[in-house]
Amino acid sequence: GESVGLHLPTLSVQEGDNSIINCAYSNSASDYFIWYKQESGKGPQFIIDIRSNMDKRQGQRVTVLLNKTVKHLSLQIAATQPGDSAVYFCAETIMIKAAGNKLTFGGGTRVLVKP
Amino acid sequence: GAVVSQHPSWVICKSGTSVKIECRSLDFQATTMFWYRQFPKQSLMLMATSNEGSKATYEQGVEKDKFLINHASLTLSTLTVTSAHPEDSSFYICSAEVPGHLNSPLHFGNGTRLTVT
Repeated sequence: GESVGLHLPTLSVQEGDNSIINCAYSNSASDYFIWYKQESGKGPQFIIDIRSNMDKRQGQRVTVLLNKTVKHLSLQIAATQPGDSAVYFCAETIMIKAAGNKLTFGGGTRVLVKP
Repeated sequence: GAVVSQHPSWVICKSGTSVKIECRSLDFQATTMFWYRQFPKQSLMLMATSNEGSKATYEQGVEKDKFLINHASLTLSTLTVTSAHPEDSSFYICSAEVPGHLNSPLHFGNGTRLTVT
């Protein structure tokens, strides 16, 4: 069933500081992980992904860290900007076939950037 | 590239009527699309997997007769909410895979806000 009465955890960060968003994933068999950014009234937007054979991957101003031992994923945003204010979701899947790999989304974290 | 378009972006309908939402892949062909719903301040919940030319696969607890999915072409999947009720009010989002790209992250549409009065 669907969760009831949740509120999203919120991370307030000063503009220019670094942000760290954490995610605990559920399936130890998952081998592909993605971070998405969702702005109000829009669909999720891809930020960065990582496969299970890696521990770290860097993009532009973003870094994803994967700890398979404790099933933990984090997203680090460097020099956070006002445009980074959004809800961030992690997602996991098992890439067992060429198509139809379903994503399972985490609960989400709201990031508020203070000027 | 890999743009997914949803239409309409928002719709208001009366209780008991049906509403159709379209999901199009604009610059690629998608054999597989996914439909999600999202309640306020919550995460995305997968409703069904839409497969071109075959029946959709529904997640547990999702009524297939209420949420009709048709994926008649490689660029279009539709979700019809039949006999809508106020509890069906939600944000519906589709996504599509780029075929043959095993590690390609899903590309999402911008969602459809459904309000049933």
